Amino acid sequence: DTEVTQTPKHLVMGMTNKKSLKCEQHMGHRAMYWYKQKAKKPPELMFVYSYEKLSINESVPSRFSPECPNSSLLNLHLHALQPEDSALYLCASRTSGGGEQFFGPGTRLTVL
Amino acid sequence: EDQVTQSPEALRLQEGESSSLNCSYTVSGLRGLFWYRQDPGKGPEFLFTLYSAGEEKEKERLKATLTKKESFLHITAPKPEDSATYLCAVRGGGADGLTFGKGTHLIIQP
Repeated sequence: DTEVTQTPKHLVMGMTNKKSLKCEQHMGHRAMYWYKQKAKKPPELMFVYSYEKLSINESVPSRFSPECPNSSLLNLHLHALQPEDSALYLCASRTSGGGEQFFGPGTRLTVL
Repeated sequence: EDQVTQSPEALRLQEGESSSLNCSYTVSGLRGLFWYRQDPGKGPEFLFTLYSAGEEKEKERLKATLTKKESFLHITAPKPEDSATYLCAVRGGGADGLTFGKGTHLIIQP
């Protein structure tokens, strides 16, 4: 099973709202990632968690706050977002040996 | 800084017409070159991992190859359901995340 699940599938929020994106995997992977993908662009790395510790933060604005409650779950907390933050947010997890990352279906975020 | 360039940006083929997609890369300490398929509005679907020059992987109508500077994704006798964006990505020695190319948008016409 190489499934990564993400909820919600779609999210519409105002600039003053607080919301969270959730990601879950049960493959025993110990590295998990958040990527942002704008229309017709490739995914861009935002955060990396390795063994539940934040190891890479690619200078993402503080209005995005990641959290890794345990080895199977990854959250992305959103606050005071801007319309330009509208995008597809992808979660991925990585095998410890091969290095390949498996992606979830994404959350389509629209900020009004 | 790792860099990935894919060509062509878009490719339109007739069903059954074989072709190749190119991925050129610059990376310090390659720890893997990855091919993904992405359908509109969905997450990338993993296809192949290649680690060293000369390596080849096959899956159905797709075959991926790797040299020291580039990778090719060969598609043989494609079908309309092969239409998608194909993404190439690398994992370098200094990073844990993937660096993606801009992708090749492939359309297979019946």
